[in-house]
Amino acid sequence: DIVLTQSPATLSVTPGESVSLSCRASQGISTSIHWYQQKSNESPRLLIKYASQSISGIPSRFSGSGSGTDFTLSINRVESEDFSVYYCQQSYSLPLTFGSGTKLEIK
Amino acid sequence: QVQLKETGPDLVQLTQTLSITCTVSGFSLTTYNVHWVRQPPGKGLEWMGAMWNGGGTDYNSAFKSRLSISRDTSKSQVFLKMNSLQTDDTAKYFCATKEYWGQGVMVTVSS
Repeated sequence: DIVLTQSPATLSVTPGESVSLSCRASQGISTSIHWYQQKSNESPRLLIKYASQSISGIPSRFSGSGSGTDFTLSINRVESEDFSVYYCQQSYSLPLTFGSGTKLEIK
Repeated sequence: QVQLKETGPDLVQLTQTLSITCTVSGFSLTTYNVHWVRQPPGKGLEWMGAMWNGGGTDYNSAFKSRLSISRDTSKSQVFLKMNSLQTDDTAKYFCATKEYWGQGVMVTVSS
């Protein structure tokens, strides 16, 4: 199984700061990585697909990059509604796997 | 618009079988793949398996032979069945496409 390691586990930031969240795969997965946001007691929401492809309706401050084993979700100027948990997921091979998440919290 | 909705029990007895139905609207099951994902309280997401748009299925081997996924395309429904439930199967169960997720159903396994 492909293991996705997300770092950091928790990121404390002030609204208005820009942040980068990391996801590292245990083997090369091309660009088959997707990013989800999950707010408390809600279902996950797809933010970015295939490493860098934008999703309709998602604010442009969210962007993704990377290929192979190292991937990054960037949030330009974090807003109050962005404080939640972020997961990466790979669809390169079965079983599909998720990272353990990065919690973005208010400093 | 695309919607998915899970319906199932809140409580299942230890060693019994869990059955959840995912009813979709706004798309055809022959066009989109539907996945089952679960999330124990306070923990991360775990992929359980998929019903592919062509009718085939794949399962996470972590569930060994306990898990079965099927569908009824005429009713736009996908079904999850998992037997021999244990307390660590307590979780919220979601059906989802890549982009769209249901609200999930919280299932507690009780002894």
